[in-house]
Amino acid sequence: AQKVTQAQTEISVVEKEDVTLDCVYETRDTTYYLFWYKQPPSGELVFLIRRNSFDEQNEISGRYSWNFQKSTSSFNFTITASQVVDSAVYFCALSVTNTGNQFYFGTGTSLTVIP
Amino acid sequence: GAGVSQSPSNKVTEKGKDVELRCDPISGHTALYWYRQSLGQGLEFLIYFQGNSAPDKSGLPSDRFSAERTGGSVSTLTIQRTQQEDSAVYLCASSFRQALQGDTQYFGPGTRLTVL
Repeated sequence: AQKVTQAQTEISVVEKEDVTLDCVYETRDTTYYLFWYKQPPSGELVFLIRRNSFDEQNEISGRYSWNFQKSTSSFNFTITASQVVDSAVYFCALSVTNTGNQFYFGTGTSLTVIP
Repeated sequence: GAGVSQSPSNKVTEKGKDVELRCDPISGHTALYWYRQSLGQGLEFLIYFQGNSAPDKSGLPSDRFSAERTGGSVSTLTIQRTQQEDSAVYLCASSFRQALQGDTQYFGPGTRLTVL
């Protein structure tokens, strides 16, 4: 069975602080894909990153970075120098090869950046 | 280009009524997905389409839920005899390639359904 756990339900940080959002996944498939999405108060899910199971390189995009570690089944997301506009719910998702690209979502982490 | 669109954005209905929710995917996207997001919950997968076919309907919560897709484009999710527990935001997503696992899904703004 597939499962994604985002243990942090809510996080609050002060603007300009760094924050890391945790994501732990479970799957027995050797080929899988991991995603992060942002859901701002407007409600629309915004795609942030896609990573496949064969590529463990960390990735940086501006203030965003992702740390993928297969050894711990984690795909954590760090926001550096957080801004008020980063306030949103962030979802981690898993897709495996045998289920038609169905996404398994975590329950999300609500991030509030305080000015 | 235009993203995924959904209509209506909000729907309030009375218990026992039928509702239809519509999704218009990104042009050229062959796969389409429906999810449900209940208050404070993650996203629950309902059904996906490859073209006009739905290979797996096991995610639909009950036989009151059905979905169809015509012309490889627009999809309709129908809920019959709505119940209060059906209240949620229904999200639609599409992806470019057909049945290619791991293809990025792009989401619409959702339809907020409230059953009184």
